[in-house]
Amino acid sequence: SQKIEQNSEALNIQEGKTATLTCNYTNYSPAYLQWYRQDPGRGPVFLLLIRENEKEKRKERLKVTFDTTLKQSLFHITASQPADSATYLCALDPSGGYNKLIFGAGTRLAVHP
Amino acid sequence: GAGVSQSPSNKVTEKGKDVELRCDPISGHTALYWYRQSLGQGLEFLIYFQGNSAPDKSGLPSDRFSAERTGGSVSTLTIQRTQQEDSAVYLCASSLTPGGPDYGYTFGSGTRLTVV
Repeated sequence: SQKIEQNSEALNIQEGKTATLTCNYTNYSPAYLQWYRQDPGRGPVFLLLIRENEKEKRKERLKVTFDTTLKQSLFHITASQPADSATYLCALDPSGGYNKLIFGAGTRLAVHP
Repeated sequence: GAGVSQSPSNKVTEKGKDVELRCDPISGHTALYWYRQSLGQGLEFLIYFQGNSAPDKSGLPSDRFSAERTGGSVSTLTIQRTQQEDSAVYLCASSLTPGGPDYGYTFGSGTRLTVV
């Protein structure tokens, strides 16, 4: 079946360390993949997009990689802070175009002081 | 407006009643999406409007669910004869197309629906 998988277990890390979250997908050939942040009681907020022809994309302390052979994206937060604690969702368009996104269930990140 | 506005923020309804959820997207955003999120679950796609095209209704779980978008702006999601399994947070998002995916979706804060 077609699906997006993110680690359902919460990721607990110490402040200042690098957090790495994983997004795996099967049976899709997306042209891009997006990452969102969701805080409790709020809607997701768009963070980054990476296209299929890009290996890596950076934005401030965030880094995303995209391996279309492995069908995997990694999301890194360097020098993590307690304020980074949230649920992070990956999303892609299964049509390969730009229509509607489907989302992974998200991984909850907790950064401890 | 500055963001996507959804109303009401919370709705408690009795089983069997109809409910209407409203979404006011960002002005100028041509695409509008409805998702729902059950407790601890991911976002489930419901319906997608793009400009004047026929909506993509492929995610609607049953014929009790319907949505419309008037004048290319405000959208209403209607659930008829609500059931307890309809309890969830209903999220609306809009995006600027054909600007492409670079700006992502802008989500509202959602409507928390509880069917008792």
